[in-house]
Amino acid sequence: DQQVKQNSPSLSVQEGRISILNCDYTNSMFDYFLWYKKYPAEGPTFLISISSIKDKNEDGRFTVFLNKSAKHLSLHIVPSQPGDSAVYFCAASTNNNNDMRFGAGTRLTVKP
Amino acid sequence: DSGVTQTPKHLITATGQRVTLRCSPRSGDLSVYWYQQSLDQGLQFLIQYYNGEERAKGNILERFSAQQFPDLHSELNLSSLELGDSALYFCASSASLTGTVQETQYFGPGTRLLVL
Repeated sequence: DQQVKQNSPSLSVQEGRISILNCDYTNSMFDYFLWYKKYPAEGPTFLISISSIKDKNEDGRFTVFLNKSAKHLSLHIVPSQPGDSAVYFCAASTNNNNDMRFGAGTRLTVKP
Repeated sequence: DSGVTQTPKHLITATGQRVTLRCSPRSGDLSVYWYQQSLDQGLQFLIQYYNGEERAKGNILERFSAQQFPDLHSELNLSSLELGDSALYFCASSASLTGTVQETQYFGPGTRLLVL
């Protein structure tokens, strides 16, 4: 069952513009959300997270927004850089269930 | 470099066979997680070990098993392999001060398994 969905398999953005990656979830018990970035031939690396008690978390060029009523979160990257080109995975978990659910990933390409 | 190592990098085997994937966590990390990434699919959580004990189970098949040794390295055993088991298998580790998945996980580079 796909409890975490990333409906856009790919996204292409011009350097300097904003990249917006979207993620939807179905399980209302999820209370912690993360974004991971993955380069080819490497494992995913943690990017940013957000707890369900917040609706926004910012770290430099990366901001994650959480809309609990819509069961939707998004990752904003601004300004986008060519080095941001990677696959981005959204993940969600619950505090009382040691299970992390990942989306299928969105491949971001930032063009110079 | 995340500090998590996985061996082998690539593995080619035949249906019906058994393989063992190995993972060494970051120094001091107590938790090890195993994930499977099939073609065009996200990461599927398989299992977590914490300080030698099984902590959580995800979508792990009965043909698969894992263990974590006293030195904290972990092995994932896949048996009676089928074509559909071809995937990238990632190991991740975390300090696990809380023992939960809600800690930052550091991923290894993965083992690519091809079952022919």
